[in-house]
Amino acid sequence: GENVEQHPSTLSVQEGDSAVIKCTYSDSASNYFPWYKQELGKRPQLIIDIRSNVGEKKDQRIAVTLNKTAKHFSLHITETQPEDSAVYFCAASGDSGYSTLTFGKGTMLLVSP
Amino acid sequence: DTEVTQTPKHLVMGMTNKKSLKCEQHMGHRAMYWYKQKAKKPPELMFVYSYEKLSINESVPSRFSPECPNSSLLNLHLHALQPEDSALYLCASSRGQGAIPGELFFGEGSRLTVL
Repeated sequence: GENVEQHPSTLSVQEGDSAVIKCTYSDSASNYFPWYKQELGKRPQLIIDIRSNVGEKKDQRIAVTLNKTAKHFSLHITETQPEDSAVYFCAASGDSGYSTLTFGKGTMLLVSP
Repeated sequence: DTEVTQTPKHLVMGMTNKKSLKCEQHMGHRAMYWYKQKAKKPPELMFVYSYEKLSINESVPSRFSPECPNSSLLNLHLHALQPEDSALYLCASSRGQGAIPGELFFGEGSRLTVL
């Protein structure tokens, strides 16, 4: 089955800095890579996703890059704000009609004012 | 309506109790999921229903029994649980149509405590 590794487990930055979280996956058949943000006591919420036919996707301060050859993808957050503080999970899924996501272990991002 | 609604939000039960968690979505999604999440861990897939049929059971103990009465509803029946089953139970749904995986929409979760 799929295995997703995520690093780092904790990331502390100053407000305004950039943050990068990296994930690797094992199954070359995976073709959908979402990122979820989970605030304490809340549900995971999709913040950005990328499919295997795209190398990079950007949405305002958030971007995701995918390297299918190396089987890794990364989340980039620029101009971080305290409200970006949360746990971020990467995930990978194959091409069945439903999303059998395998999640990474998560990264706790702390943005200090 | 882009919501997945779960009830109850909190549940405390003894090891001999029988209870149920409920999930509802009205987005026309044809795939629904139960995930279990322990503190500081990622969600773990338990069950997947596709077009109201159980498609995946990730070797979940039989004390957890899923049910999909129709395309909008998903239940998780609980019986004879153990304290280690205490967790946040997340329901999710996705389009479930075609070969392209779609976005997973999560409910707020039901926080279960087993005494």
